[in-house]
Amino acid sequence: DAGVTQSPTHLIKTRGQHVTLRCSPISGHKSVSWYQQVLGQGPQFIFQYYEKEERGRGNFPDRFSARQFPNYSSELNVNALLLGDSALYLCASSPGQGGGEKLFFGSGTQLSVL
Amino acid sequence: GEDVEQSLFLSVREGDSSVINCTYTDSSSTYLYWYKQEPGAGLQLLTYIFSNMDMKQDQRLTVLLNKKDKHLSLRIADTQTGDSAIYFCAEIRADYKLSFGAGTTVTVRA
Repeated sequence: DAGVTQSPTHLIKTRGQHVTLRCSPISGHKSVSWYQQVLGQGPQFIFQYYEKEERGRGNFPDRFSARQFPNYSSELNVNALLLGDSALYLCASSPGQGGGEKLFFGSGTQLSVL
Repeated sequence: GEDVEQSLFLSVREGDSSVINCTYTDSSSTYLYWYKQEPGAGLQLLTYIFSNMDMKQDQRLTVLLNKKDKHLSLRIADTQTGDSAIYFCAEIRADYKLSFGAGTTVTVRA
């Protein structure tokens, strides 16, 4: 079975541009979460979607948005990119909404903002 | 910054045991997790423990939980070179978010 897949694996953008990152959860998983991992730090929660609805939002500006599609895949959008948005963006999926389930992570998208 | 705290570095000799320590903050956390991250890779779930347990063993991994002190540890027996990685402790909050520590870089030396 395929794990959580993310695309692209690497991306280079310039300040002010926007970016769309994509995630396909494990088959049968209905929840997708997004995390940002800045170099040298632990991942920080951005969003959680369950059954196509936003169920949680971390402390990130409105430039960050996401959505989940009927097939449970998800997109993370970031507008007006800043240098500080350079990070590894991780997507994770779980069967249900969470609260104790195993969260499985993809390999991430490495975003560099120049 | 992270509310979950971990020591940043650990150096261990191959064949010895590694012990990684973590303190967490939310006494209502139901599950606590250990993830492993190798260079250039995502997070691999190593093991997790339910908050009403004191210990969980899974092959070379032993997790100890002291709920009173909000202290979690991961012991890796017979540490191998393939165990060199960053290890993250994480707690699940009431709103289903995972809150991670900054990670402990484990270096295994021959």
